[in-house]
Amino acid sequence: SQQGEEDPQALSIQEGENATMNCSYKTSINNLQWYRQNSGRGLVHLILIRSNEREKHSGRLRVTLDTSKKSSSLLITASRAADTASYFCANAGNMLTFGGGTRLMVKP
Amino acid sequence: NAGVMQNPRHLVRRRGQEARLRCSPMKGHSHVYWYRQLPEEGLKFMVYLQKENIIDESGMPKERFSAEFPKEGPSILRIQQVVRGDSAAYFCASSPLKGVDYGYTFGSGTRLTVV
Repeated sequence: SQQGEEDPQALSIQEGENATMNCSYKTSINNLQWYRQNSGRGLVHLILIRSNEREKHSGRLRVTLDTSKKSSSLLITASRAADTASYFCANAGNMLTFGGGTRLMVKP
Repeated sequence: NAGVMQNPRHLVRRRGQEARLRCSPMKGHSHVYWYRQLPEEGLKFMVYLQKENIIDESGMPKERFSAEFPKEGPSILRIQQVVRGDSAAYFCASSPLKGVDYGYTFGSGTRLTVV
């Protein structure tokens, strides 16, 4: 399977703490993308990191990519209750292939 | 500029009936992707279409499922003779160019329940 795997599957933290989610993938990629899904909703594109990039920032989001280890991480700093959602990585080959997601709960 | 529109939001079908799911991509987007999601799981790719063409249907079950994206009108995902195992959320996404290079815009999904 080309599907990525997120780790952990579930994460519960207090508001203000940082949340780190990891993603591993199996095949070579053009880029790796992170998406967020609120319960019962569609996915929202958060950030894209290209295969020749190692780190990227967007607001409170920081994404790293290690192509030698076929892994990526998403860090959300100073988390808020509104960050509660599922987060998916997607590796971009011919189309996007999604992992199983990390369910993040941020307690107020 | 409306986003990706999917309808209906919820669809209930009895076993053996047909389900038709519609997706109108964002204005200016000519690439459409369909994914299926089971509860507590990630999205599974089904099919990638451009206007009037199926580009990749490697994720589509061989029987009962079909998809189209006509020159005019929305993309349609059609499931014939539905079974309980077809119950899932079906998401459509669109992109202006090859989406893997830029990211997809997703609709809110159609939740199909087969009773």
